[in-house]
Amino acid sequence: KAGVTQTPRYLIKTRGQQVTLSCSPISGHRSVSWYQQTPGQGLQFLFEYFSETQRNKGNFPGRFSGRQFSNSRSEMNVSTLELGDSALYLCASSPQGAGTEAFFGQGTRLTVV
Amino acid sequence: DQQVKQNSPSLSVQEGRISILNCDYTNSMFDYFLWYKKYPAEGPTFLISISSIKDKNEDGRFTVFLNKSAKHLSLHIVPSQPGDSAVYFCAAIASYDKVIFGPGTSLSVIP
Repeated sequence: KAGVTQTPRYLIKTRGQQVTLSCSPISGHRSVSWYQQTPGQGLQFLFEYFSETQRNKGNFPGRFSGRQFSNSRSEMNVSTLELGDSALYLCASSPQGAGTEAFFGQGTRLTVV
Repeated sequence: DQQVKQNSPSLSVQEGRISILNCDYTNSMFDYFLWYKKYPAEGPTFLISISSIKDKNEDGRFTVFLNKSAKHLSLHIVPSQPGDSAVYFCAAIASYDKVIFGPGTSLSVIP
């Protein structure tokens, strides 16, 4: 059974640009959550999508957005990038969402210069 | 305002001894807790969980203890092995709401 796949693995962008990250969950999983990991901050919850609907949202500015497609694949978009957006972005899939153990992808390392 | 706290950023333990990782939370609505382990360049992997109706859950070398009155949980690893060296994240959920992670504790098991 294939795991959670995130693309790309590494990305370098300049301030002001926008970026789109992709996540393919485990087959059959309907929930996809996104997290930002920075040193000392742990994993900060961005949002969760379930069956193409945003079900939960963390405390991030509107520059961070996402969507989920009918095949459960999800994308995360960050517009007007700032230096502080440099982080590891992790995607997690689970069958039903919060309350069940999630499976994480390897993450996308975003560097904003 | 950090709802899930792991006050020890790092911990070193001798191989074969017990590792105890601690986690404190502030939200009394949390009813499910999880521990994840993360190696460098990999995503976190689920380790063990506990429901708020229990005070202990054991899985092989890993045991999680929950003290609801103190809003405290701990992960015990016995015996510790070098392969356990990783960052451990404590996470909490309130009634199927979003998962809140702690900042992590880096465990080093010394051979």
